[in-house]
Amino acid sequence: DIQMTQSPSSLSASVGDRVTITCRASQSIAGYLNWYQQKPGKAPKFLIYAASSLQSGVPSRFSGSRSVTDFTLTISSLQPEDFATYYCQQSYSTPWTFGQGTKVEIK
Amino acid sequence: EVQLVESGGGLVQPGGSLRLSCAASGFTFSSYSMNWVRQAPGKGLEWVSYISSSSSTIYYADSVKGRFTISRDNAKNSLYLQMNSLRDEDTAVYYCASDGHVVWHYFDYWGQGTLVTVSS
Repeated sequence: DIQMTQSPSSLSASVGDRVTITCRASQSIAGYLNWYQQKPGKAPKFLIYAASSLQSGVPSRFSGSRSVTDFTLTISSLQPEDFATYYCQQSYSTPWTFGQGTKVEIK
Repeated sequence: EVQLVESGGGLVQPGGSLRLSCAASGFTFSSYSMNWVRQAPGKGLEWVSYISSSSSTIYYADSVKGRFTISRDNAKNSLYLQMNSLRDEDTAVYYCASDGHVVWHYFDYWGQGTLVTVSS
């Protein structure tokens, strides 16, 4: 199975900060990497697919990038509604696997 | 508006069975592959199973293979998960999620989830 490792596991940031979350795959997954946001008690929300393609309706402050097996989710200017847990997910091969999550908290 | 509504969760003893349902509306259900994804209390997300639009292709996570069966009824716009031989570690919120792309396989719409608790 392909292992997805996110870092950091949690971070504290202030409104307006630039936030970067990294997801590393245990083997090559090409660009088959998706990102989700989850708030407490709610279902995940789909943000980005194919490493860098923004889902329709997702604010442009969210962006994704890829460097070989390292993937990055960036929030350019953190907003109050962005405090949540973020997950990456590889869809290169089954079983599709998620990272362990990164919790973004208010500083 | 796309809606996915899960039902069928509850408390079940180890070794027991449960059948989850997911009612879909607001999109052409028969054209989309579907998935089940679960989340144990306080833990991360785990993909469980996938079924293609015509039911011709089915995948399972190793953790549920041989115990869970995914199915769908396109005439009823419904997705199902039959769970047998349940274990304590199957305790989780179970989400149905639509598969947004035949190549990229992202989960673009999610239900609100249904809680399955396996305990004696």
